[in-house]
Amino acid sequence: SYVLTQPLSVSVAPGKTASITCGGNNIGSKSVHWYRQKPGQAPVLVIYYDTDRPSGIPDRFSGSNSGNTATLTISRVEAGDEADYYCQVWDSSSDHPYVFGTGTKVTVL
Amino acid sequence: EVQLVQSGAEVNKPGESLRISCKGSGHSFINYWITWVRQMPGKGLEWMGTIDPSDSYTNYSPSFEGHVTISADKSISTVYLQWSSLKASDTAMYYCARLDRVMITSPFFDHWGQGTLVTVSS
Repeated sequence: SYVLTQPLSVSVAPGKTASITCGGNNIGSKSVHWYRQKPGQAPVLVIYYDTDRPSGIPDRFSGSNSGNTATLTISRVEAGDEADYYCQVWDSSSDHPYVFGTGTKVTVL
Repeated sequence: EVQLVQSGAEVNKPGESLRISCKGSGHSFINYWITWVRQMPGKGLEWMGTIDPSDSYTNYSPSFEGHVTISADKSISTVYLQWSSLKASDTAMYYCARLDRVMITSPFFDHWGQGTLVTVSS
């Protein structure tokens, strides 16, 4: 089945930029979606179709996807951005089509 | 406002049966597939299975097929996740999520329930 690999953790100072990668074989040919999960809460969609933001998600959140790596970028990081982040794709060739990444813990220093 | 409201936390013994629920509101329930996602303590998100509430067509992850049953009652806009014999390893948080399939080749989960914590212990 398709595998999505993320770094275990990313640390960033307030006001700086955090980049969270999601690696997969030719992931650039798929659409990638991103979710934020704050401690003790349910996941929330923050980016869909690689670059689109749902209403209510600030424009500090952006996404890109090319080759074997998709990236979620958080600009001007705030303390409230501290959370786990997961990427997700749909793999049509698999009997396990809804694939989540391994998750990245973002720590705001 | 779209909402998915899940049933409350459960504590059960190994071997017992259990059904948890996810009630939708604020949208046309039969027009959106609903998915169940497991999150074991300190771990990531795992897709368990998805149901089309309009006709109860269900698709399971191979990792969960045969151990859980997903069903729906569209008359009350509710989807269920059921175990006939719980194991200690079923201890986890379970989320339901609504699936956006506008682009059928790139579905994503646009709304999530608050989660139901299931604890299985003797």
